[in-house]
Amino acid sequence: EAGVAQSPRYKIIEKRQSVAFWCNPISGHATLYWYQQILGQGPKLLIQFQNNGVVDDSQLPKDRFSAERLKGVDSTLKIQPAKLEDSAVYLCASSLDRTSNEQFFGPGTRLTVL
Amino acid sequence: QQPVQSPQAVILREGEDAVINCSSSKALYSVHWYRQKHGEAPVFLMILLKGGEQKGHEKISASFNEKKQQSSLYLTASQLSYSGTYFCGTGGGADGLTFGKGTHLIIQP
Repeated sequence: EAGVAQSPRYKIIEKRQSVAFWCNPISGHATLYWYQQILGQGPKLLIQFQNNGVVDDSQLPKDRFSAERLKGVDSTLKIQPAKLEDSAVYLCASSLDRTSNEQFFGPGTRLTVL
Repeated sequence: QQPVQSPQAVILREGEDAVINCSSSKALYSVHWYRQKHGEAPVFLMILLKGGEQKGHEKISASFNEKKQQSSLYLTASQLSYSGTYFCGTGGGADGLTFGKGTHLIIQP
């Protein structure tokens, strides 16, 4: 079974530039999560989708971050404009549904903002 | 509210045992444990549910004290492959997880 796919794996940009990350969850998984993991810390939930609807985006900095999951499968996370403190690994995870206890994580995208 | 993990780091020799603790200031209904190796994605180990069964993984088990709002992860006869950072997460189900800062586990031969 294919796992969660993410691209790109690495991205280096300058502050004030824009960047987008892509995630393809495990086939059939209705729930998709985006987490931000700053070096030395645990993953922090940014947004949770159930199919193509947003369930929780309370910790998403909406002035600069946006995310969508238009057809209930793939998802993109965008940062515009990026700040130095956005440097982190962005992890995408998926689960069968909202009541499923196990989340499957992708390899992440390491973002460096200079 | 982020759960608090202790210790921050543990160094063991292969075959030794370790305990990692996770506590919360909020009532806990479930605790999730993940392990993350350097440069890799977190991998699910187990979940402990309030009033429910626990799942085990290899020689790793866990306890859940609802009254004290704590969970402990026990690694028995540790192997080199157990090295990594262990995270506990609270919430889950209909909510996303809130992870602790992690416990770094180093197993030496």
